Amino acid sequence: NAGVMQNPRHLVRRRGQEARLRCSPMKGHSHVYWYRQLPEEGLKFMVYLQKENIIDESGMPKERFSAEFPKEGPSILRIQQVVRGDSAAYFCASSSRSYEQYFGPGTRLTVT
Amino acid sequence: DQQVKQNSPSLSVQEGRISILNCDYTNSMFDYFLWYKKYPAEGPTFLISISSIKDKNEDGRFTVFLNKSAKHLSLHIVPSQPGDSAVYFCAAKSMDSSYKLIFGSGTRLLVRP
Repeated sequence: NAGVMQNPRHLVRRRGQEARLRCSPMKGHSHVYWYRQLPEEGLKFMVYLQKENIIDESGMPKERFSAEFPKEGPSILRIQQVVRGDSAAYFCASSSRSYEQYFGPGTRLTVT
Repeated sequence: DQQVKQNSPSLSVQEGRISILNCDYTNSMFDYFLWYKKYPAEGPTFLISISSIKDKNEDGRFTVFLNKSAKHLSLHIVPSQPGDSAVYFCAAKSMDSSYKLIFGSGTRLLVRP
C-alpha cells in the first residue's frame, strides 16, 4: 500500500515563475491537506480539500496561491509569480478519518 | 500567536536513557494531541496520540502524558536508541475542527551511542 506521494521532491523557480506541486493521497483516502514549513518552524496548515471541493482554505495566502483536488488525478498546489518568501518545504497529508493524517515526503521549493 | 509551543529546540540523550520531550499549549479547546517524528528530507511520521479525556497513552517504548490543568504534554522514550534521533513535532486538534492540526516548532533529539 503506497504512502502519500509528492512530486517533484525539489523544485527551483526564478522569481515571477509558477510553481506546481502535486500530491497523490494514500489509496482509499479522500481527504487531502497541504501544510507549509518555513526553516526552523513547525508545519502550518494551508488548505483542506476533498474530491472536487475546497473545504477550508483559511491558511492559504489570499493571492497567488490556489489548490485543487480534481475527480481524477492528484491534488495540485499552485503558486503563481513566486517570490523568495515562498521558499519552503510543502507537505501534503491525506486521511480517511480527519485527524489521523499521513504525510508525504514533501516538496522543497527554492525561489532564486 | 503560537498555540502549541515546544520550548526546547534540541535535546541530547545517551543511548539507553530516557528522552523527555515537552510541549505546552494555550488553547483549552484542543481535544486531541499527536506526536510526529521527522527525519531529514522526509515527511512527518505519526508516532503516538492522546485524547484529552485521557492522561496517559503508551505504545512500546513511547508514552505520552497529558496534564490538562497545566496545558502540558510530554513524550517519553525509554530506552532511547540512536535511531530515535530526529525532529519531534507536537500537534494539536481543536474540538471545533475535525481536521486542522496546529504544530509546534519541533525539538531536535540526538541520541548519542
